[in-house]
Amino acid sequence: DAGVIQSPRHEVTEMGQEVTLRCKPISGHNSLFWYRQTMMRGLELLIYFNNNVPIDDSGMPEDRFSAKMPNASFSTLKIQPSEPRDSAVYFCASSFQRNQPQHFGDGTRLSIL
Amino acid sequence: RKEVEQDPGPFNVPEGATVAFNCTYSNSASQSFFWYRQDCRKEPKLLMSVYSSGNEDGRFTAQLNRASQYISLLIRDSKLSDSATYLCAVTLQTGANNLFFGTGTRLTVIP
Repeated sequence: DAGVIQSPRHEVTEMGQEVTLRCKPISGHNSLFWYRQTMMRGLELLIYFNNNVPIDDSGMPEDRFSAKMPNASFSTLKIQPSEPRDSAVYFCASSFQRNQPQHFGDGTRLSIL
Repeated sequence: RKEVEQDPGPFNVPEGATVAFNCTYSNSASQSFFWYRQDCRKEPKLLMSVYSSGNEDGRFTAQLNRASQYISLLIRDSKLSDSATYLCAVTLQTGANNLFFGTGTRLTVIP
């Protein structure tokens, strides 16, 4: 069975550019999560969706970040404009239902120069 | 105060040793608890859920202490392949499905 699929695996871009990260959750999972991981701050929840609806976006650092989930099989996390401090590994995860374990994608390693 | 706190380590132990990690959580209403394992430059992977009565999976034992608000992970007869970062995760709200993760404890098993 396919796990959570993220793309791209790596992204290097210059500050000011728009960055779009993509995620396909596990089929049948109705909750989707976006995380950011850095050495300094560890794994931080940015936003999560339940049945394609954003439930909690309190972790989104600022207005430059936005996330969408147009359907049950696809989500995007967008940063516009990007800044060097956005450099991190961004993970997408999905779970079947409330309080069930989350399954993570391979992550996108983002470097903003 | 962070919702979930872990000793970052590193823990360096010889092969065959027993090692234990603790993770404390601040909200007494926390409902679900998990241990994840993360290898270098990889994604976190679920190691085991933590049940109220404690649970065991091979060499791994997880415990929950609600009175003191911590969970623990015990690894017996540690292997070189156990070297990784171990993250605890806690759901803070009843019915919520957003996990809060600790920053992880780094374990290195030495030959």
